[in-house]
Amino acid sequence: GAGVSQTPSNKVTEKGKYVELRCDPISGHTALYWYRQSLGQGPEFLIYFQGTGAADDSGLPNDRFFAVRPEGSVSTLKIQRTERGDSAVYLCASSRTSGRTGELFFGEGSRLTVL
Amino acid sequence: AQTVTQSQPEMSVQEAETVTLSCTYDTSESDYYLFWYKQPPSRQMILVIRQEAYKQQNATENRFSVNFQKAAKSFSLKISDSQLGDAAMYFCAYRTGTASKLTFGTGTRLQVTL
Repeated sequence: GAGVSQTPSNKVTEKGKYVELRCDPISGHTALYWYRQSLGQGPEFLIYFQGTGAADDSGLPNDRFFAVRPEGSVSTLKIQRTERGDSAVYLCASSRTSGRTGELFFGEGSRLTVL
Repeated sequence: AQTVTQSQPEMSVQEAETVTLSCTYDTSESDYYLFWYKQPPSRQMILVIRQEAYKQQNATENRFSVNFQKAAKSFSLKISDSQLGDAAMYFCAYRTGTASKLTFGTGTRLQVTL
């Protein structure tokens, strides 16, 4: 696609429910990142994929958060047993290579609200 | 751990005027990159300008330029001839030369007035 696509744009769920957020990166981009942006804060790193594998998952806050990228393209961020503190905008970004020298292209994010 | 500090929660500038957004960072690394990102209400982060730490020359992109003071660990963004479309949140970000993840500051909201 022309840009990074994230769905859903907005998601409202109840505490304790399971949520999946999808990211479709720019075609041909091997690197994919998830960030979480809480209200009034800058984005915080969650996880980085190079191809199908998670090269760095040090930002995942706990074991309720999990992400996959089975075919090296689309990625899904999965949140189990959601808590009100999980409410945030979840941003996805992709880059042509590892991102160290390449530009990151961000999507418009998925806003998650946990009631 | 690396930290990025933006001490100006909000700034205002008149159209056609110049504004400077401040950013300081803390690192023990010698190889790193610094960035300014713009986030309009659409939420999409857009790269404004990038600076490699090993380069002494300040980066410039059209109306946007930086003042990179490596010894002071300061990285400010200057926007010249401000336009209404420049109104947005601006985030300063840092990345080491070996890692891929970005560390962001808390952002500065820029208002542009007529």
